[in-house]
Amino acid sequence: DGGITQSPKYLFRKEGQNVTLSCEQNLNHDAMYWYRQDPGQGLRLIYYSQIVNDFQKGDIAEGYSVSREKKESFPLTVTSAQKNPTAFYLCASTRHLISGANVLTFGAGSRLTVL
Amino acid sequence: GQSLEQPSEVTAVEGAIVQINCTYQTSGFYGLSWYQQHDGGAPTFLSYNALDGLEETGRFSSFLSRSDSYGYLLLQELQMKDSASYFCAVSSTGSNYQLIWGAGTKLIIKP
Repeated sequence: DGGITQSPKYLFRKEGQNVTLSCEQNLNHDAMYWYRQDPGQGLRLIYYSQIVNDFQKGDIAEGYSVSREKKESFPLTVTSAQKNPTAFYLCASTRHLISGANVLTFGAGSRLTVL
Repeated sequence: GQSLEQPSEVTAVEGAIVQINCTYQTSGFYGLSWYQQHDGGAPTFLSYNALDGLEETGRFSSFLSRSDSYGYLLLQELQMKDSASYFCAVSSTGSNYQLIWGAGTKLIIKP
């Protein structure tokens, strides 16, 4: 079955540590996204990528980094520069970003807690 | 700026009909989407409206009025499994077609 796999599902981090969240899709989608979700809030865009080896900052990119070396993979690194990283992180993809009519497919999410 | 407003919580009875409203402010509006998210889960796509009017998909319908910058999601014959959060999201040229999300409406269904 096609879909998006995020790992790990739960992650604990000490302050000052970098952590990398994995996102892999087998949907042959071109565009991939990382969102952050905090309790009682909507999704906020961290980074997105429309094509391999290219990515753009979203609204809250500070303290995060990404890479897109393969079409299937879009890992997110939460760096020590991110002051409040405890959140639910969602990876998503869509076939093409050519209009606003794109339907996003989401992974199951990664819940990061900073101790 | 761009913003969306939707109620934080709505309560309804099993078998009833409920409407979740969404108003938005955006430049270069393109379309309004609705997603469902169960607690701890991933959002899943429900519907998309680019033109005025009602779109029906089974028990769920979505409405858009571009002139009023307003839309709603209508859920009929409510079932307990419909208990979830519902998010409206707008795509616009002002956001380079990226989705701008509302804060979500938690739907509580009572037996």
